[in-house]
Amino acid sequence: GIQVEQSPPDLILQEGANSTLRCNFSDSVNNLQWFHQNPWGQLINLFYIPSGTKQNGRLSATTVATERYSLLYISSSQTTDSGVYFCAVTYNFNKFYFGSGTKLNVKP
Amino acid sequence: NAGVMQNPRHLVRRRGQEARLRCSPMKGHSHVYWYRQLPEEGLKFMVYLQKENIIDESGMPKERFSAEFPKEGPSILRIQQVVRGDSAAYFCACGGNTGELFFGEGSRLTVL
Repeated sequence: GIQVEQSPPDLILQEGANSTLRCNFSDSVNNLQWFHQNPWGQLINLFYIPSGTKQNGRLSATTVATERYSLLYISSSQTTDSGVYFCAVTYNFNKFYFGSGTKLNVKP
Repeated sequence: NAGVMQNPRHLVRRRGQEARLRCSPMKGHSHVYWYRQLPEEGLKFMVYLQKENIIDESGMPKERFSAEFPKEGPSILRIQQVVRGDSAAYFCACGGNTGELFFGEGSRLTVL
């Protein structure tokens, strides 16, 4: 299967700081999504981004499929950004492979 | 989460009992995926279904676990003779032809 590695595994930020989360994958994909799992366990869609760049408020994401990585940028972080960020990829939509996540803690 | 409904949200079972978890995709979504998440861990793929068909069940234990997605009604993940190690959060994710996944809020199973 496709190996998905996320880095860093843990991240502590002071409120207002910026950060970049990375997702590397081992094989060609035609679907990549970023999710945020909040402290209550809900999984929220952030970006559906098989390639290119998208922005949504303070968040943006870039996927370079040919180089097998995606980046999630968080600017001006807020305490509500805390939680775990997951990257998920698939090639043929049969199975989505998840990374182990980046656990983010934003301190006030 | 685009209206993906899972129930029950919380389920407590004693060892040896059966657990049934339900997932109702939003209208137009015919792809259902079940994932299991242990505390402080990532999401582990269990099974991928389309209406009336199991497409990939490579992540599901061979014994005690089964899944279905009938023509009418929700997808059901069934765990027979539960053991303590089955305690986890079970998430259903659904998608349509765009390939974008949407998750339900999960069912948290506790086995006493």
